[in-house]
Amino acid sequence: QKEVEQDPGPLSVPEGAIVSLNCTYSNSAFQYFMWYRQYSRKGPELLMYTYSSGNKEDGRFTAQVDKSSKYISLFIRDSQPSDSATYLCAMSGGDDKIIFGKGTRLHILP
Amino acid sequence: DVKVTQSSRYLVKRTGEKVFLECVQDMDHENMFWYRQDPGLGLRLIYFSYDVKMKEKGDIPEGYSVSREKKERFSLILESASTNQTSMYLCASSRMDGTITFGSGTRLTVV
Repeated sequence: QKEVEQDPGPLSVPEGAIVSLNCTYSNSAFQYFMWYRQYSRKGPELLMYTYSSGNKEDGRFTAQVDKSSKYISLFIRDSQPSDSATYLCAMSGGDDKIIFGKGTRLHILP
Repeated sequence: DVKVTQSSRYLVKRTGEKVFLECVQDMDHENMFWYRQDPGLGLRLIYFSYDVKMKEKGDIPEGYSVSREKKERFSLILESASTNQTSMYLCASSRMDGTITFGSGTRLTVV
């Protein structure tokens, strides 16, 4: 079983819809959970960061961590064409080793 | 605004050339990383460094070496470039809490 699983997509949704992106993982030692957004031909940029379980909200973005299910989610409300990008989940046990998902390509259709 | 700066956005090199990719961060981070990113394979860790003059192999170190002589600078070296090293190379540095900041990437083509 891979440490982190992420559906590669592409995921296409109409503008204004709620987007749900997910990752599952196998290592119960992970404590830090991150979501990165990567536009074409650019480096990934940190979008959301969560420690342990729970929810975190930042504007239109909400990150959820369910450690009991080993499942993390990123929700995007009122999606915009500018949200079209690849979204990577990442997680760490605090030991300097960060494991990335392979990324989900998201297209927001105007 | 914190920054990780990679010296080149695009590079074209010939097979067998020695290639240097330079990376500088201004955040006083201890940890620095080199990844390559390929379609369908995601991000793969080549090398990382947790202190000056210290380095650790990542998942795919073969054909690469690194140098960290100063805290802010981490260089990736392709000793003898090959076509299968054509890729997007991403440098990154991280805080103690594990959040990682990436550079803009260098797209290397080996012909």
